[in-house]
Amino acid sequence: SAVISQKPSRDICQRGTSLTIQCQVDSQVTMMFWYRQQPGQSLTLIATANQGSEATYESGFVIDKFPISRPNLTFSTLTVSNMSPEDSSIYLCSVSTGLSTGTEAFFGQGTRLTVV
Amino acid sequence: AQSVSQHNHHVILSEAASLELGCNYSYGGTVNLFWYVQYPGQHLQLLLKYFSGDPLVKGIKGFEAEFIKSKFSFNLRKPSVQWSDTAEYFCAVMIYNQGGKLIFGQGTELSVKP
Repeated sequence: SAVISQKPSRDICQRGTSLTIQCQVDSQVTMMFWYRQQPGQSLTLIATANQGSEATYESGFVIDKFPISRPNLTFSTLTVSNMSPEDSSIYLCSVSTGLSTGTEAFFGQGTRLTVV
Repeated sequence: AQSVSQHNHHVILSEAASLELGCNYSYGGTVNLFWYVQYPGQHLQLLLKYFSGDPLVKGIKGFEAEFIKSKFSFNLRKPSVQWSDTAEYFCAVMIYNQGGKLIFGQGTELSVKP
């Protein structure tokens, strides 16, 4: 298993500003992901954070809006840039334990972001 | 594109009633399957998972799910619900060899009346 710490747990931000969310894992993991859960909605994958290379973004998400860093196998950051009220969501970091069948995903507690 | 569909958006039951939440996915290859629960104001928790073997899997809090490969389904069941089961339930699919990312269903809100 993996224990994931996310910071901050919540924040209220002014529109037009940026917020960086940190994700720390207690062990080295191959795959790290960032998800968004908009109010009353399901979870949507934003991107896969790749160690040592650019993140892989899902359709509808772009690097300019959601830059991601992954400097090593235990840490990643997601920045929400030039925020608007529509960015108010819970952002979750997730890791998976492998690449084969039997792979399981673990989630951080999430960052609850409110943009005013 | 692969997708996950949950049949019910909102289910209302009385305590002791039986529960079945439907989940279907669209992918013909090998998958791992999960049900997550999110209690009001809390973070996501894993209820149960299916990787391989016995298609009937048991999870926490008396929940179970059955994988029917021919129907691409992974329905969640509980024989007798409690008021404390009031929560949002998410079905999720992990496609083998796609690195471990999850595709989530839309979620089903369960309300249990005492």
